[in-house]
Amino acid sequence: DTEVTQTPKHLVMGMTNKKSLKCEQHMGHRAMYWYKQKAKKPPELMFVYSYEKLSINESVPSRFSPECPNSSLLNLHLHALQPEDSALYLCASSQVRTGNTGELFFGEGSRLTVL
Amino acid sequence: AQSVTQLDSQVPVFEEAPVELRCNYSSSVSVYLFWYVQYPNQGLQLLLKYLSGSTLVKGINGFEAEFNKSQTSFHLRKPSVHISDTAEYFCAVSDHENSGGYQKVTFGTGTKLQVIP
Repeated sequence: DTEVTQTPKHLVMGMTNKKSLKCEQHMGHRAMYWYKQKAKKPPELMFVYSYEKLSINESVPSRFSPECPNSSLLNLHLHALQPEDSALYLCASSQVRTGNTGELFFGEGSRLTVL
Repeated sequence: AQSVTQLDSQVPVFEEAPVELRCNYSSSVSVYLFWYVQYPNQGLQLLLKYLSGSTLVKGINGFEAEFNKSQTSFHLRKPSVHISDTAEYFCAVSDHENSGGYQKVTFGTGTKLQVIP
C-alpha cells in the first residue's frame, strides 16, 4: 500500500471548470512534488515544495496552481485547462534531511481528462 | 547536468527466461541511481537503489542491478521473469547535491517489459 494518497483517482473536466487534485503523506517528508505523465513517457517535474515553500516551478502554465497548506498536504488547482493537459498527475514526497538520497515515494496518481 | 539513457523502449521475453534492462547515465558529479517500476494505471514504485558501497544491489521481486562506474551503467537483471513482471521500468539518477532540501531526479524514457506466457 502506498503511503502517499492522491484524490481523486479519476477526474473529467471541461475547459471552463475549476477543480483540484489533492495529495497527502504522513511519512514526515518535507519535500513534495507534482509530476505530469503522458502515455508511454517518463514523469515530467512540474513543481517542488520544500518546507512548504515553492522551490521549483518548471515553467508550468498558470492554469496550474500548486498549494502546500501544511507539511502533509499538497494541492494542485486546475482552471481553464486544455485537452492536451489530459495526463496522469503524480504526487511524490521525499526526505530533506542531510543524507537525503533523492528517493521519491509516489502516489498512485490522478488520471485527468479534459474535454 | 545529468541524463539517463534507456536504449530499449520495449523488451519482450518469455516467462521464466532471464532479462536485462539497460541503463546508462551521464553526470559531472557523483550520483545516486534508482530503478522504479510502474504497473498499468499506477504510480511508480522503487525497485532498488545504489547509494554507495557494493556495486551489486538487490531489490524487491527478485530484481538486482549492477553499478559500473567505468561504463556509467546501471543495468537491471532478473534470472527468471513472471507474467506479473509485465510493466514499465524507469531508470533514474539523482545527484549528491542537496540544494533547497530536495534533489532533482532525472528519469530515463522507460522500458516496457512484456512477459510472454
